[in-house]
Amino acid sequence: SQTIHQWPATLVQPVGSPLSLECTVEGTSNPNLYWYRQAAGRGLQLLFYSVGIGQISSEVPQNLSASRPQDRQFILSSKKLLLSDSGFYLCAWSKTTRSEAFFGQGTRLTVV
Amino acid sequence: SQQGEEDPQALSIQEGENATMNCSYKTSINNLQWYRQNSGRGLVHLILIRSNEREKHSGRLRVTLDTSKKSSSLLITASRAADTASYFCATAPDSNYKLTFGKGTLLTVNP
Repeated sequence: SQTIHQWPATLVQPVGSPLSLECTVEGTSNPNLYWYRQAAGRGLQLLFYSVGIGQISSEVPQNLSASRPQDRQFILSSKKLLLSDSGFYLCAWSKTTRSEAFFGQGTRLTVV
Repeated sequence: SQQGEEDPQALSIQEGENATMNCSYKTSINNLQWYRQNSGRGLVHLILIRSNEREKHSGRLRVTLDTSKKSSSLLITASRAADTASYFCATAPDSNYKLTFGKGTLLTVNP
């Protein structure tokens, strides 16, 4: 069966520090991968999606980036965190571009 | 920008009652999906309805889709306290690969 792992579960980082959140999927190949951010009490904002290695589409600027170094690994990064980067980050995968998505348990990021 | 918008934003009912949530969207879709999120957790997929389907059932869940009105509804029958969660609709457009979510409906089922 397929599983998705996302870590860490919580993170407190100072403003200006770098960020690296990792997500891996097991039990499937060539998944579509997504990073979402959820502000408190709000919906999900799509940040990045990837349909294959090296293929990353960005939905939001500038301060965040994503990479897919391996087929089932998706990394969200920032060189310098802002206070506004605080939120709940969710990684997800789907088998095809329009099928149901399966989510990790999320990372609660607080930038102080 | 949000593709789907759920209504109401919050809903409080008694155990045993039915809960209905609505979703409206803007563009042509391939399918529409409903998800559930317990507080502080990841989302769990509930049901997917394709654009050529009008109604779908899964256990106590019933989803309808009206593509002419660009709207969908999720009905949870005989609700339980354990159904307390946020419910989101997500649309998979025809034109791209983005699965975009609305802001959700917070359902509280009181025992």
